[in-house]
Amino acid sequence: DQQVKQNSPSLSVQEGRISILNCDYTNSMFDYFLWYKKYPAEGPTFLISISSIKDKNEDGRFTVFLNKSAKHLSLHIVPSQPGDSAVYFCAASDAGKSTFGDGTTLTVKP
Amino acid sequence: DSGVTQTPKHLITATGQRVTLRCSPRSGDLSVYWYQQSLDQGLQFLIQYYNGEERAKGNILERFSAQQFPDLHSELNLSSLELGDSALYFCASSGKGSSYNEQFFGPGTRLTVL
Repeated sequence: DQQVKQNSPSLSVQEGRISILNCDYTNSMFDYFLWYKKYPAEGPTFLISISSIKDKNEDGRFTVFLNKSAKHLSLHIVPSQPGDSAVYFCAASDAGKSTFGDGTTLTVKP
Repeated sequence: DSGVTQTPKHLITATGQRVTLRCSPRSGDLSVYWYQQSLDQGLQFLIQYYNGEERAKGNILERFSAQQFPDLHSELNLSSLELGDSALYFCASSGKGSSYNEQFFGPGTRLTVL
């Protein structure tokens, strides 16, 4: 049973437009949610996070939204840039133990 | 540069063999995590150590074992290797100076079992 799901394996957007990456989870014990970005041949790097007591966190072009009742979170990137092309993993944490989704490959076209 | 180092970068070996992957966490981080990423799949959590002691266990096979040493570096031992063990193995660390939940990942070790 996969507790964290990213249902879209890939997403393609035009430069300057909004990218929306989605993530669903099933475990109501998760209390912290994170997004990581991964380039080929590199390890994932932390991007942005949100605590379960909040519904939105913003950092520059990146905003994470959390809908606890729907057990859904999303990452918005505005405006998207070609350098944002990477694999994005969402992760959900319960007492410090993180469970990762399978990732969404974002391609931003110039 | 995350500050987490992993060696070796690549490893090619044969079925039935045993290998050891090494990880040095960021300076001061007490927690070390190991993950496996098979082709086109997500990150599968294997095991976590905190200050030398096992803290959490994920989907780690009995053929795999890990430990964290007093200097906080960690090793992941994979034995009786099978073709299906071919994957990227990531180490991550967390602790002082970062959100408790935020992990810093190393560049990974690519293991190929022939």
